[in-house]
Amino acid sequence: QKEVEQDPGPLSVPEGAIVSLNCTYSNSAFQYFMWYRQYSRKGPELLMYTYSSGNKEDGRFTAQVDKSSKYISLFIRDSQPSDSATYLCAMSAKGAQKLVFGQGTRLTINP
Amino acid sequence: NAGVMQNPRHLVRRRGQEARLRCSPMKGHSHVYWYRQLPEEGLKFMVYLQKENIIDESGMPKERFSAEFPKEGPSILRIQQVVRGDSAAYFCASSPLGGGALPYNEQFFGPGTRLTVL
Repeated sequence: QKEVEQDPGPLSVPEGAIVSLNCTYSNSAFQYFMWYRQYSRKGPELLMYTYSSGNKEDGRFTAQVDKSSKYISLFIRDSQPSDSATYLCAMSAKGAQKLVFGQGTRLTINP
Repeated sequence: NAGVMQNPRHLVRRRGQEARLRCSPMKGHSHVYWYRQLPEEGLKFMVYLQKENIIDESGMPKERFSAEFPKEGPSILRIQQVVRGDSAAYFCASSPLGGGALPYNEQFFGPGTRLTVL
């Protein structure tokens, strides 16, 4: 079993839709939870991070962490074609530097 | 402020040759990380280095792979006697701090080197 599981998709939605992306994990030591966006042939860029449980909102993006269920989510409101990319969840344990990534979900927003 | 630089961006090698991938961290960053991304997969941690020291190499294959981050110059990931299974995108990331500092110590990624082994 992988430490972090993420549905690879692909996921295709119309412009303006609300998008929900999810990851589950098995390692209870994970304390930092991140979402990265990766455009084709580019390096990942950090979208949001959350420490421990709770919600965090940044513009059209909301990150949620439920440590009791070992489940994290990223919501994108009013999705735009420019949001089309692969979204990777990543996690790390406190004191550890390496990131453990999910497989990535390929998202397409159709105009 | 320039981001993380990686070169070459594309590298083609024949089986048995050596591949050398270079990474220059962001200015002021002294921590470097290497990750490998196989087709249709997420990134897999390989190694974490500080200047002149390997801190965590738990993700490095035991043979043929090595990494260094000298006092002067870029970090180098070296793959000896490459095989077709080494074909992947190799990403370098850098951060200004290390070791569990709060808030989260963001890793900034470079554009990657795409290695193709013929």
